[in-house]
Amino acid sequence: GEDVEQSLFLSVREGDSSVINCTYTDSSSTYLYWYKQEPGAGLQLLTYIFSNMDMKQDQRLTVLLNKKDKHLSLRIADTQTGDSAIYFCAENLSFGAGTTVTVRA
Amino acid sequence: GAVVSQHPSRVICKSGTSVKIECRSLDFQATTMFWYRQFPKKSLMLMATSNEGSKATYEQGVEKDKFLINHASLTLSTLTVTSAHPEDSSFYICSARDLSGKTVGSYNEQFFGPGTRLTVL
Repeated sequence: GEDVEQSLFLSVREGDSSVINCTYTDSSSTYLYWYKQEPGAGLQLLTYIFSNMDMKQDQRLTVLLNKKDKHLSLRIADTQTGDSAIYFCAENLSFGAGTTVTVRA
Repeated sequence: GAVVSQHPSRVICKSGTSVKIECRSLDFQATTMFWYRQFPKKSLMLMATSNEGSKATYEQGVEKDKFLINHASLTLSTLTVTSAHPEDSSFYICSARDLSGKTVGSYNEQFFGPGTRLTVL
């Protein structure tokens, strides 16, 4: 089975907040990551969180980590059309299937 | 920033032939490189980890004689799909890390190549 799970699709209106959720199984990872993949491009690290943190904020991005429930989320505030992409949750070398975020006007 | 390139970006080959995919770190030393396979709507599946100058470590279920990996230098790793068959058709992605921390990435960050689309007829 999958070690990292996330929903496949998210549609959001421009200007609204996007929340992408992820669950994982391996609790030994030092870092957990969110990667962004735009069409035709490789995955790029968007943000990461150290495993002993509960929250990390980076401009429009907020990462929440619930270690007890092994749940990671990424919130994008004021979502823009340029945020349309596939977002991958990862813990160490295990990746989710990616959530395709579509921003509609 | 740290850039990883892959070549070719797309390849179409006949069944039974071998295909080589190159992964290069352009502006940093990649002490470790990873090869992934991505299926539509599925996770990236780690195939193998290669450290410069040593044999690759393959994940369970990945045939080492089928997927030959060479990491001859700190900037180049190659994946050769031998005797390719249609079921090998997939999107292959490499990534690189500088675990020494001397050139780039201080939190185990992986830098990904853009991927190679392999189609075996």
